[in-house]
Amino acid sequence: QVQVVESGGGLVKPGDSLRLSCAASGFTFSDQYMAWIRQAPGKGLEWVSWISSSGSSTNYADSVKGRFTISRDNARNSLYLQMNSLRVEDTAMYFCARDGGRLSNSGAYDYWGQGTLVTVYS
Amino acid sequence: QSVLTQPPSVSGAPGQRLTISCTGSSSNIGAGYDVHWYRQLPGTAPKLLIYGQNNRPSGVPDRFSGSKSGTSASLAIAGLQAEDEGDYYCQSHDIILIGWLFGGGTKLTVL
Repeated sequence: QVQVVESGGGLVKPGDSLRLSCAASGFTFSDQYMAWIRQAPGKGLEWVSWISSSGSSTNYADSVKGRFTISRDNARNSLYLQMNSLRVEDTAMYFCARDGGRLSNSGAYDYWGQGTLVTVYS
Repeated sequence: QSVLTQPPSVSGAPGQRLTISCTGSSSNIGAGYDVHWYRQLPGTAPKLLIYGQNNRPSGVPDRFSGSKSGTSASLAIAGLQAEDEGDYYCQSHDIILIGWLFGGGTKLTVL
């Protein structure tokens, strides 16, 4: 069955860096766009970034552009989010999600992980 | 404040039909971009309910349906059940922000 499992969250200080990972299984990882979505405590969903199936194209929300980098390793069925210059407002649960469109950026995220919590405290 | 506007809360009695609105603009829903809908239960990941306006993933009951008109979209739930409680989010793409957007979310309560 399809599974995505995030890891790498933790407690950091403003300005620190953190790298999130997402291990995928149960589908042909290299066929699917992937994304990161976050949710601050008690708040709504915020799309963070997507990456194409090959990894050649990426896009970011304005709130993280220039600080976060999404990447993937199709040989390892893994997705990553490198987060630099973290801010207090980056505190959130970070979800890894599969785009349900095959080889396309449909935005319809059909499988989500359980999330990994990032807390940035001053 | 989200670019996609949803009512903060809606409620209905079991068996009723209920709709949740998602109001966007000419740079997102009105530009013809697809609208997707999710439900999230407390402490869990969101679940895709409707994609591409009115398509249901496998396993989603046909009580759920979506529609789109102009710069707005709606999610309709027929025959409301207690298990339908949760937070509902709409999603679309915005050509100005050049990214995917989520609505602010709507908390559904079954009375």
